[in-house]
Amino acid sequence: LAKTTQPISMDSYEGQEVNITCSHNNIATNDYITWYQQFPSQGPRFIIQGYKTKVTNEVASLFIPADRKSSTLSLPRVSLSDTAVYYCLVGPNTGGFKTIFGAGTRLFVKA
Amino acid sequence: EAQVTQNPRYLITVTGKKLTVTCSQNMNHEYMSWYRQDPGLGLRQIYYSMNVEVTDKGDVPEGYKVSRKEKRNFPLILESPSPNQTSLYFCASRDSLYNSPLHFGNGTRLTVT
Repeated sequence: LAKTTQPISMDSYEGQEVNITCSHNNIATNDYITWYQQFPSQGPRFIIQGYKTKVTNEVASLFIPADRKSSTLSLPRVSLSDTAVYYCLVGPNTGGFKTIFGAGTRLFVKA
Repeated sequence: EAQVTQNPRYLITVTGKKLTVTCSQNMNHEYMSWYRQDPGLGLRQIYYSMNVEVTDKGDVPEGYKVSRKEKRNFPLILESPSPNQTSLYFCASRDSLYNSPLHFGNGTRLTVT
């Protein structure tokens, strides 16, 4: 399984765009990149997933360069409620596998 | 409503007293998994199951047991809890088709004294 590396923490202000980068140098050909958000005392929640190039949904965008050795989660115009821990996971597109969550990135949004 | 339900939400017990944390999902998912979360260590996988009667160890299986007799249920069993198992536990499930994301329960906060 590809190991991921993310910044431990980030600070931002309301209304700003936040970009969180995840490094996954050993990503395999059939691995997908998935991001989760976790609020205190709640289970992680799926945000976005991608394989290559760019993916966008109503919550975030995910940018993946051609070599796929990193990915960037982009949160447009964050609000106080986006304060959470964000996890980047890399894994194969087969059902049932060992999953590894790193320590995640703790994002703190200030007013 | 599609969900993963864990019970209980909070549990305080004493060392050595066997306990079971239940997990049930109503999405007909093949894959289920248990994690524990401790400050500074993120989420660590305890056990996972690819389908009924198929289970495998995650990164921190010591002191835990699981069973998967039915597709919807995946209980976590602590035969003889110890204080180092005090933690926040999450159950998750996912569909095995393609690359569907994990769906998590709301967690069980366990304290072993």
